[in-house]
Amino acid sequence: KAGVTQTPRYLIKTRGQQVTLSCSPISGHRSVSWYQQTPGQGLQFLFEYFSETQRNKGNFPGRFSGRQFSNSRSEMNVSTLELGDSALYLCASSLGQGPGYTFGSGTRLTVV
Amino acid sequence: AQSVAQPEDQVNVAEGNPLTVKCTYSVSGNPYLFWYVQYPNRGLQFLLKYITGDNLVKGSYGFEAEFNKSQTSFHLKKPSALVSDSAVYFCAVSLFWMDSSYKLIFGSGTRLLVRP
Repeated sequence: KAGVTQTPRYLIKTRGQQVTLSCSPISGHRSVSWYQQTPGQGLQFLFEYFSETQRNKGNFPGRFSGRQFSNSRSEMNVSTLELGDSALYLCASSLGQGPGYTFGSGTRLTVV
Repeated sequence: AQSVAQPEDQVNVAEGNPLTVKCTYSVSGNPYLFWYVQYPNRGLQFLLKYITGDNLVKGSYGFEAEFNKSQTSFHLKKPSALVSDSAVYFCAVSLFWMDSSYKLIFGSGTRLLVRP
């Protein structure tokens, strides 16, 4: 059974640019959550999607957005990148009806 | 405010000795509690979870955790540490939001170093 797949693994972007990260959940999982991990703030919840609808949102500015497709794959987008957006972005999938998450290996974003 | 605390930034233990990584939480209601491990440049690997029932939870790779409601703690333990257990360990609590939606609140992580 394939795990949670995140692409790309590494990304370098310039301040002011935008970036899109992709997450393919485990087959049959309908919920996808995104987390940001930084040395200073630790692991923080960004948002959760279930059946193409955002069901839950963390405390991040509107520059951070996401979406989910009918096949449950999810993308997150960060516009007008700032240096502080440099982080490991983790995606987690679950069946969506209870707490039980499988994480991907993450996308390491570096903003220069 | 809901929070998870891991009071130790680093735990050092000799291979073969027992290890404990501490976690306390502050949430309203009945929490769902998790432990994850992270190896360098990798995502989070699930170790174990407490939902309800027996306070001693057994998980992957020989790890176990004890839920203590009165002390609001969920410490991770292993009877005999291996060098390969060296990694960063995260405790997390799952908060119910609405419509079956949950989110994880993580502790700051504890680096475990097992020396040969």
